[in-house]
Amino acid sequence: AQSVSQHNHHVILSEAASLELGCNYSYGGTVNLFWYVQYPGQHLQLLLKYFSGDPLVKGIKGFEAEFIKSKFSFNLRKPSVQWSDTAEYFCAVNKGRSQGNLIFGKGTKLSVKP
Amino acid sequence: DAGITQSPRHKVTETGTPVTLRCHQTENHRYMYWYRQDPGHGLRLIHYSYGVKDTDKGEVSDGYSVSRSKTEDFLLTLESATSSQTSVYFCAISSSGGSSYNEQFFGPGTRLTVL
Repeated sequence: AQSVSQHNHHVILSEAASLELGCNYSYGGTVNLFWYVQYPGQHLQLLLKYFSGDPLVKGIKGFEAEFIKSKFSFNLRKPSVQWSDTAEYFCAVNKGRSQGNLIFGKGTKLSVKP
Repeated sequence: DAGITQSPRHKVTETGTPVTLRCHQTENHRYMYWYRQDPGHGLRLIHYSYGVKDTDKGEVSDGYSVSRSKTEDFLLTLESATSSQTSVYFCAISSSGGSSYNEQFFGPGTRLTVL
């Protein structure tokens, strides 16, 4: 079955540290890839997405992600985190043009210490 | 934010009672989804709809039913609530075309507690 793995359950960083959150998926065909963020007590918001083209995708709030097809990975990065980045981050994968089949990872909770 | 509302936002109910959650959108999007979010499980798809009266099951559909009689409303029903259905429920929508194709927009969530 198709699955999405997020390697870290909880990451704790100090402000200005660099961030990389891992995401791997198991589906071998064409995929659409997403990173969502959920701030405490709020709903999910899209950070960035990859459909095709340049594998380095830039999103909102200084986040970026790189799609590496050979590694089935879509890792999220930010060079310098802020306290306001404290949130839970979800990677999600959708098979090709198929709606209704967005598979989420279990999430990574990021805590940034001021 | 996309025009998605969910009602109620919080509900406490007892085991065995029926519960209906409502999702309402003002975006005229074709697709609507119901997810549940539980610690350690991320979001899991319960049911989704690809048009009025067109629905399909997701990963965790047992114990849930849905209905969509209008484009803007998608109802999730727990026929007989159980404690295992205590969760936060999110509705999402997506369009069938345009620049945001395949991107899902989420509602504010409903926190349901079954005692």
